Amino acid sequence: EAQVTQNPRYLITVTGKKLTVTCSQNMNHEYMSWYRQDPGLGLRQIYYSMNVEVTDKGDVPEGYKVSRKEKRNFPLILESPSPNQTSLYFCASSLSWGIYGYTFGSGTRLTVV
Amino acid sequence: QQQVKQSPQSLIVQKGGISIINCAYENTAFDYFPWYQQFPGKGPALLIAIRPDVSEKKEGRFTISFNKSAKQFSLHIMDSQPGDSATYFCAAITQGGSEKLVFGKGTKLTVNP
Repeated sequence: EAQVTQNPRYLITVTGKKLTVTCSQNMNHEYMSWYRQDPGLGLRQIYYSMNVEVTDKGDVPEGYKVSRKEKRNFPLILESPSPNQTSLYFCASSLSWGIYGYTFGSGTRLTVV
Repeated sequence: QQQVKQSPQSLIVQKGGISIINCAYENTAFDYFPWYQQFPGKGPALLIAIRPDVSEKKEGRFTISFNKSAKQFSLHIMDSQPGDSATYFCAAITQGGSEKLVFGKGTKLTVNP
């Protein structure tokens, strides 16, 4: 089944404790992206990657890091999480940059206390 | 600056009624307008999309109406059902890649039985 898999689905952590949210897609998509979803703010892009080793900032990149060492994986790294990063996070992939039809993962609900 | 403005923020309709969600954009470079549907606990999923060279696209009970001169587009859900209760996001993108995918802030639709 073609899908984007995120782990974990739920995570509660403490301020300052580094964490990684994994994202993997099995569709050989070139383009991958991370979004955060907050009430009233919709989906805001954090980082995106157009291909292996090619990443760039989205609209809200502060406090986040990403890497794209393999085509299928695009982990999101919070090196020192803060409470304002409590949110619902989605990873998405698309065949290529500028092509419609984004496939989203099921989301990771992160709580930072 | 919000590139795609979506309204209303929430919408309640009765079963069998018509649900209408509106979006407006400023950037004339956008040339593809998808709608995403998100059920609670799930990631957004592509529902229907339209290009600006057509004024209307229909798929089952879902219709997109597009007004290029007004830079507005809308989603109509005919014969709304409780199973349509979800959050709907309009979006815009340039398929040539000069502009990335941008989302509206979402509309939470509730269809009462």
